[in-house]
Amino acid sequence: EIVLTQSPGTLSLSPGERATLSCRASQSVSSSYLAWYQQKPGQAPRLLIYGASTRATGSPDRFSGSGSGTDFTLTISRLEPEDFAVYHCQQYGSSPPTFGQGTKVEVK
Amino acid sequence: EVQLVQSGAEMKKPGESLKISCKGSGYTLTDYWIAWVRQMPGKGLEYMGIIYPGDSDTRYSPSFQGQVTISADRYINTAYLQWSSLRASDTAMYYCARPVVPAAIRGPNDAYDIWGQGTMVTVSA
Repeated sequence: EIVLTQSPGTLSLSPGERATLSCRASQSVSSSYLAWYQQKPGQAPRLLIYGASTRATGSPDRFSGSGSGTDFTLTISRLEPEDFAVYHCQQYGSSPPTFGQGTKVEVK
Repeated sequence: EVQLVQSGAEMKKPGESLKISCKGSGYTLTDYWIAWVRQMPGKGLEYMGIIYPGDSDTRYSPSFQGQVTISADRYINTAYLQWSSLRASDTAMYYCARPVVPAAIRGPNDAYDIWGQGTMVTVSA
């Protein structure tokens, strides 16, 4: 199965700053089938990006996804207070689908 | 409104059996696959498996094959996750989730845009 490694484990930033999160796959992700989720404490994950770069319904345009093959990036252009959370990547191009271990974006 | 509503938190002892549920509303369950995802305390998300309620076609992650059973009742729009003999290591939050794309367009592998609220399962002697 494809192993996804997210970095960094924790990102300490201030509101208004730019956040860049990485997701690296152990093998090429077919058809850029890569998704990003946001999860806040006590809540279910929320889909932000799928197909590596397509924003999900309701996902603010400050969130953008890029990448292909084995390297993918989630960028938050300007952090809002509600963006401090854990972010998970998921590949669904190969069976079984797999998730990364998560990146926590915390207030500096 | 499209939503998945899961059954409530459970506290069980090792060796006991358990079946938790995920009821879909606002859409027809047989139009989409339904996945189950585990999240152990303080950890990441783990894909367990997925079912197509239309014909009960079920796929399991190798890590969970033989450890759990996924089923569905299309007539009451509900999917299930069950254990025959729980272990302490099964303590986790369990989520059901619906793919973005209907089953008629894509197979079981997809991103998930609709999630249940989660069912916390605690297994302790």
